[in-house]
Amino acid sequence: NAGVTQTPKFQVLKTGQSMTLQCAQDMNHNSMYWYRQDPGMGLRLIYYSASEGTTDKGEVPNGYNVSRLNKREFSLRLESAAPSQTSVYFCASSEEGGGLYNEQFFGPGTRLTVL
Amino acid sequence: QQQVKQSPQSLIVQKGGISIINCAYENTAFDYFPWYQQFPGKGPALLIAIRPDVSEKKEGRFTISFNKSAKQFSLHIMDSQPGDSATYFCAASKGFGGTSYGKLTFGQGTILTVHP
Repeated sequence: NAGVTQTPKFQVLKTGQSMTLQCAQDMNHNSMYWYRQDPGMGLRLIYYSASEGTTDKGEVPNGYNVSRLNKREFSLRLESAAPSQTSVYFCASSEEGGGLYNEQFFGPGTRLTVL
Repeated sequence: QQQVKQSPQSLIVQKGGISIINCAYENTAFDYFPWYQQFPGKGPALLIAIRPDVSEKKEGRFTISFNKSAKQFSLHIMDSQPGDSATYFCAASKGFGGTSYGKLTFGQGTILTVHP
């Protein structure tokens, strides 16, 4: 099992450009999440999908959109990138209800720089 | 609005020492408190977790202490090793089984360095 995979690993954008971050999981999990990690801020939830066909905003959704393409895939789109979106982005997944310990499994991250 | 506050931001410990990281939360509806460990260039991974019906949970060298009345919980790493050097995040979630189920609120993170 690959677990949670993310593409690309690194990306540099110019202000105003758009891009889509891809995430896939092979653990048959129902719930998927997108976080951003910034120094001193911890991980902040951008959007999540409790199950296939549903998405909801997290703590910092402005400037982002998501698509739950199917049970395996959950993409994050930046329509018009801004320097404030420079960050490391993590995708995660968990069983619906999270199982006994509500464990979230994280991907390796995408390091995005917006110039 | 930071609902989970973590301290210290960084911690340096000698090999064999005890590392202690503290977290405080505000929302009394939180009922699940995990700790995640993150190595450089990797995603976070669950280390240990506790529910508020117990005051302590131990797994090997790692122990969570939980004080419900004070709304605080802490991670203790006994006999700290250089391989424990990583960033540690506390987190909390609420509504086990409810509509907000699974949404974790993370602390700011603690960078732990264990010197040989």
